[in-house]
Amino acid sequence: DGGITQSPKYLFRKEGQNVTLSCEQNLNHDAMYWYRQDPGQGLRLIYYSQIVNDFQKGDIAEGYSVSREKKESFPLTVTSAQKNPTAFYLCASSMAANTEAFFGQGTRLTVV
Amino acid sequence: KNQVEQSPQSLIILEGKNCTLQCNYTVSPFSNLRWYKQDTGRGPVSLTIMTFSENTKSNGRYTATLDADTKQSSLHITASQLSDSASYICVVSARSRRGGGNKLTFGTGTQLKVEL
Repeated sequence: DGGITQSPKYLFRKEGQNVTLSCEQNLNHDAMYWYRQDPGQGLRLIYYSQIVNDFQKGDIAEGYSVSREKKESFPLTVTSAQKNPTAFYLCASSMAANTEAFFGQGTRLTVV
Repeated sequence: KNQVEQSPQSLIILEGKNCTLQCNYTVSPFSNLRWYKQDTGRGPVSLTIMTFSENTKSNGRYTATLDADTKQSSLHITASQLSDSASYICVVSARSRRGGGNKLTFGTGTQLKVEL
């Protein structure tokens, strides 16, 4: 069953803790992206990667980190430096930068 | 600054009726425009993707139009169904001048509710 999978669907974190969100795709896509979605706002780009072992900051990268050691995987770490981490996080992938993006089902992170 | 504005913010229609959602953008240089459907708590799903030369594109009961001169797009939904209730997001892609990945600018979406 091909697609892009995010886990977990819901995640709770205590203040001051780092947490890692998983994103895996078996679509053989080169490009992968992380977005954050807040109520009343459009999706905002956190990080993106166009190729293995390379990634670039998006518009709101502060307090986040990523890695791209494998083509299939693009995990996002929300660090304690992120001041307002509670949000819905979406991972996406595409064959290339200008082609259709496929989204995962999202991870809702709540800081308690 | 690249921006995408959608209207209306929310819309309620009766099942079986048609509706049209609007998207205005100031993204430049334009590469393509996409419409996504996002169910509550789920990831967006692509409906259409349109390039500069395309004026109309259909996907079942969904028809998107693009006027690249006025920088406007619309999404028309025909014979609405309860399952059409979702947020519809307009996304505009700008070509990267530096040769890197294209940048996507997302609208805030139109929340559509279809009622009996």
